[in-house]
Amino acid sequence: QSALTQPPSVSGSPGQSVTISCTGTSSDIGTYNRVSWYQQPPGTAPKLMIYEVSNRPSGVPDRFSGSMSGNTASLTISGLQAEDEADYYCSFYISSSTFVFGTGTKVTVL
Amino acid sequence: QVQLQQSGPGLVKPSQTLSLTCAISGDSVSSNSAAWNWIRQSPSRGLEWLGRTYYRSKWYNDYAVSVKSRITINPDTSKNQFSLQLNSVTPEDTAVYYCAMGATRARFDSWGQGTLVTVSS
Repeated sequence: QSALTQPPSVSGSPGQSVTISCTGTSSDIGTYNRVSWYQQPPGTAPKLMIYEVSNRPSGVPDRFSGSMSGNTASLTISGLQAEDEADYYCSFYISSSTFVFGTGTKVTVL
Repeated sequence: QVQLQQSGPGLVKPSQTLSLTCAISGDSVSSNSAAWNWIRQSPSRGLEWLGRTYYRSKWYNDYAVSVKSRITINPDTSKNQFSLQLNSVTPEDTAVYYCAMGATRARFDSWGQGTLVTVSS
């Protein structure tokens, strides 16, 4: 399983919705609920936003949601806000010696 | 709320050993459910998981295939911390290194602040 493919960038106006895709080359990504999403504003460490495809940790706004279809996971940000501007990464846990991260997507709030 | 505080040098010479430490507050390195990870990030390689240590009645380590021959991650129960050693470094090992805690083995719930390590003579 090589790196997960994400679009380099997406953008939207405040209040709009944006969706980031994360596509794996292996069918495993759609078989197991092991996909997580991370938000990384410039110069900071990543922050867990979604785990096990669609679960939000405590404190993450409900405008962030995750889903899966086939071998593509998706992160949707509804009601886009200026503070959502950041890089977003997906990750997939394959086995005890293999975690794969996505290529990253820059979200721009217009 | 788990907090992780990283320490270690920001400059390492080629062929030498990179060493970083991650101090834990709000949890125990000996937790029977958490996993303690090292991850790095560079422009050329993106985010790359390096390995982890975790306790499940005994200690376990998992390492990424790409660094398996050069990496050691050790827990230190007396100081409630864990460490990374990466041997025989080259300029390709230049990156921001993060420690991270996973409440399960499949995710990273809390991250350290990151340490930029440059490999250069």
